[in-house]
Amino acid sequence: AQKVTQAQTEISVVEKEDVTLDCVYETRDTTYYLFWYKQPPSGELVFLIRRNSFDEQNEISGRYSWNFQKSTSSFNFTITASQVVDSAVYFCALIGGSYIPTFGRGTSLIVHP
Amino acid sequence: EAGVVQSPRYKIIEKKQPVAFWCNPISGHNTLYWYRQNLGQGPELLIRYENEEAVDDSQLPKDRFSAERLKGVDSTLKIQPAELGDSAVYLCASSLLALDTQYFGPGTRLTVL
Repeated sequence: AQKVTQAQTEISVVEKEDVTLDCVYETRDTTYYLFWYKQPPSGELVFLIRRNSFDEQNEISGRYSWNFQKSTSSFNFTITASQVVDSAVYFCALIGGSYIPTFGRGTSLIVHP
Repeated sequence: EAGVVQSPRYKIIEKKQPVAFWCNPISGHNTLYWYRQNLGQGPELLIRYENEEAVDDSQLPKDRFSAERLKGVDSTLKIQPAELGDSAVYLCASSLLALDTQYFGPGTRLTVL
């Protein structure tokens, strides 16, 4: 069975602070894919990144960066210089060999002006 | 390119009534997913289609839930009869293939009274 844990239920920061959202996963598969999605108050999940298990390179996209470490089964997400528009619930997800997607419970990020 | 379309956006029904949700995936996407998202939780897979075939429906409560994807394009999820515990957001997503990025629709918020 696979599992995704997002231990941080809610994070509150002030604008321009950096913030890291943690994601720890469990799987027995050697080939799997990890994802991050953003769910703003409007409700629609927005895709942010997809990473396969063979690519441990960190990725940066503007103010967003991701740190994938297989040794600790983690795929953490950092927002640099947070903005109010970053306020949302962020989900980490895993798809392995069963093709069944597993989502974490999400981390609610609140960015105060 | 149009995204995933879902209707209705909101539905309020009395318990024991039937309800149906409709989803039109992104054109060309072979894989279609139905999820249920309870308040404060991540999406949970109900059923996955590869073209018109339901390849994973282990989480679908088959006594009251049914789904179909005739012709391998749009899909309908039905609940009959609805129970109070069915109140949730029902999300549809599609991807080109099973391990590819999923793109989500806006969801249908169901309230059962």
